[in-house]
Amino acid sequence: AQSVAQPEDQVNVAEGNPLTVKCTYSVSGNPYLFWYVQYPNRGLQFLLKYITGDNLVKGSYGFEAEFNKSQTSFHLKKPSALVSDSALYFCAGSLSFSGGYNKLIFGAGTRLAVHP
Amino acid sequence: EAQVTQNPRYLITVTGKKLTVTCSQNMNHEYMSWYRQDPGLGLRQIYYSMNVEVTDKGDVPEGYKVSRKEKRNFPLILESPSPNQTSLYFCASSADRGPYEQYFGPGTRLTVT
Repeated sequence: AQSVAQPEDQVNVAEGNPLTVKCTYSVSGNPYLFWYVQYPNRGLQFLLKYITGDNLVKGSYGFEAEFNKSQTSFHLKKPSALVSDSALYFCAGSLSFSGGYNKLIFGAGTRLAVHP
Repeated sequence: EAQVTQNPRYLITVTGKKLTVTCSQNMNHEYMSWYRQDPGLGLRQIYYSMNVEVTDKGDVPEGYKVSRKEKRNFPLILESPSPNQTSLYFCASSADRGPYEQYFGPGTRLTVT
């Protein structure tokens, strides 16, 4: 079965330290991978995506993600965390159907808490 | 401003009372989806639509209906809500059938008693 896993329910980081939010995937074929962020009482916002090409993808708000095919991972990273980065983060993988529509499969989410 | 809107944002209802959650997008997107978000389960797709009058089931369609009579609107209908449909619901749209990012509405928190 195709799936996306986020092994950590919560990640705690001190402000100014680097952060990593982990994601692993099991999607057949060439995966399309996404990161979304959800702030309280808001919908999900797109951060970045991997389609093909460079394994390091840069996105919004200083976030980046590294695609690692051998480890089937797509970890989200930021060199220096801000308190305002505290939110719920979702990793998602995209499936292709015969009709061409790409369905998103979401991980369970990781809550990031950045402490002053 | 490009956006996906949902109404209502909060709804408390009783078992069996039909309800509709509206969703509208102003980006001329072909693809629209409904998801429900439950703690520890992430987002699960309920229904999706590839274009007007074209809809199909997602992973958890039981107890829900949708329609797509206009490109911009994709309402979610609960004919006879039950307590296990208490959840946070999101509508989303995307530009095309490729690996495009989805744009999400602000969510509707539904409580069924």
